[in-house]
Amino acid sequence: EDQVTQSPEALRLQEGESSSLNCSYTVSGLRGLFWYRQDPGKGPEFLFTLYSAGEEKEKERLKATLTKKESFLHITAPKPEDSATYLCAVQPGGYNKLIFGAGTRLAVHP
Amino acid sequence: DAGVTQSPTHLIKTRGQQVTLRCSPKSGHDTVSWYQQALGQGPQFIFQYYEEEERQRGNFPDRFSGHQFPNYSSELNVNALLLGDSALYLCASSLGGGGTDTQYFGPGTRLTVL
Repeated sequence: EDQVTQSPEALRLQEGESSSLNCSYTVSGLRGLFWYRQDPGKGPEFLFTLYSAGEEKEKERLKATLTKKESFLHITAPKPEDSATYLCAVQPGGYNKLIFGAGTRLAVHP
Repeated sequence: DAGVTQSPTHLIKTRGQQVTLRCSPKSGHDTVSWYQQALGQGPQFIFQYYEEEERQRGNFPDRFSGHQFPNYSSELNVNALLLGDSALYLCASSLGGGGTDTQYFGPGTRLTVL
């Protein structure tokens, strides 16, 4: 069964304290792995797409990496405005749907 | 560049009623997917529409149905509402063709069933 597990469920950081979020997945034929950011009561905002193991992508303080079993979202020197829920999703082979994890709630305090 | 829009923003219904939610895709996109997000959970795939046809469906009962119009906009209909249908309903648009196309989400419609 295709499945996505994110850890930790919640993370509290001090401003400037770097950390990583984990996304473990089991899927039949990965077509793509997606990271989204979601603010309370809003729709998910697209961050990155990764297609194959070894791929990395960066955007400002965020860097996403992919292996054959998991993906990491590294946050370098976070700021309070990075506080949000970060969602990971996979697209299985032969399907157009996305399968999401439950997300990691990140709180960055000044 | 207009993003994905959804209406209404919020909706309150009672058990047994029917509801229709609407979505306009991002400019240039022809595929619309619908997701249900319960509080504290990730979005769950309901179905996807492409070329006015339901292309894929998730594990949701027949009470959930949809439609796509020639201008690519879409509706989600839910009949015989249950308390458990209370959730944030998200619409996502993408460019069809079967590739790995990024799905862009709208702001959602918050449905409360009393």
